[in-house]
Amino acid sequence: GQQVMQIPQYQHVQEGEDFTTYCNSSTTLSNIQWYKQRPGGHPVFLIQLVKSGEVKKQKRLTFQFGEAKKNSSLHITATQTTDVGTYFCAGRLEGTYKYIFGTGTRLKVLA
Amino acid sequence: NAGVTQTPKFQVLKTGQSMTLQCAQDMNHEYMSWYRQDPGMGLRLIHYSVGAGITDQGEVPNGYNVSRSTTEDFPLRLLSAAPSQTSVYFCASSYSRTSGGSSYEQYFGPGTRLTVT
Repeated sequence: GQQVMQIPQYQHVQEGEDFTTYCNSSTTLSNIQWYKQRPGGHPVFLIQLVKSGEVKKQKRLTFQFGEAKKNSSLHITATQTTDVGTYFCAGRLEGTYKYIFGTGTRLKVLA
Repeated sequence: NAGVTQTPKFQVLKTGQSMTLQCAQDMNHEYMSWYRQDPGMGLRLIHYSVGAGITDQGEVPNGYNVSRSTTEDFPLRLLSAAPSQTSVYFCASSYSRTSGGSSYEQYFGPGTRLTVT
C-alpha cells in the first residue's frame, strides 16, 4: 500500500539550533500538508503545498515540496522551546480525498 | 464556533463490547475523517466522508463502521471491540476552497482515548 515515511523519528536540539524533518512518499501526491502536535494535544494544521517545487515560509519555518511531488521537508531556523512537539506530514493521494500521514518527527528543544 | 467536538474523552471497553464515538462540527465542512493514532505509527485513516450520505474506507477500516446522515455529524462505531483497537481516535473536518488550488486543511477534534481490556 501507499506509504509516507518521515525521518528522523526523534530529534533533540539545543535552543537556537536548526531542525529539519523529511517526508518521502512511495507514490506521487496531489498535495502535502504539515501539522504540529503538542504533547497530549491534537494535530494543528501548519501549511499546505500544492505545486511541484513549491517553497513556502512562515516566520522561522520553511516548507518545500519536491519536484516529483513525492517528497517534502520542513526546516526550522533557530529553534525555540515553543517549537517542541511532533511534526507530521500528510500527503493526499492523487484522485482521492485520502490523506496518508507520515510517522512523525518528535522534536525536543533543550534550553 | 465550537469547531470539532468529540465525545467521550476517555472510554474503557471490555473485549466484544460495542460502542459509538461521536464527532460533530459546526463549520459546515464537507469533508470529515476518522484517524487512529498509535505510538510510533502516526495517524492512520479509518474512514472518511466527502458529504452527507457518502463514506469510503481509509487505510485501516476493519472493525469500524461509519455513516454520515447529516453534514454536522460523523459517528464511528466499533462493532466488537478488540485489544488491538486500543488507541487515540481523532475526528477531523475540512472544506474545499480555491486559492491557487484545492485546500483541504483539516481541523482536528481533541480526541478520544480508548482502552480495550
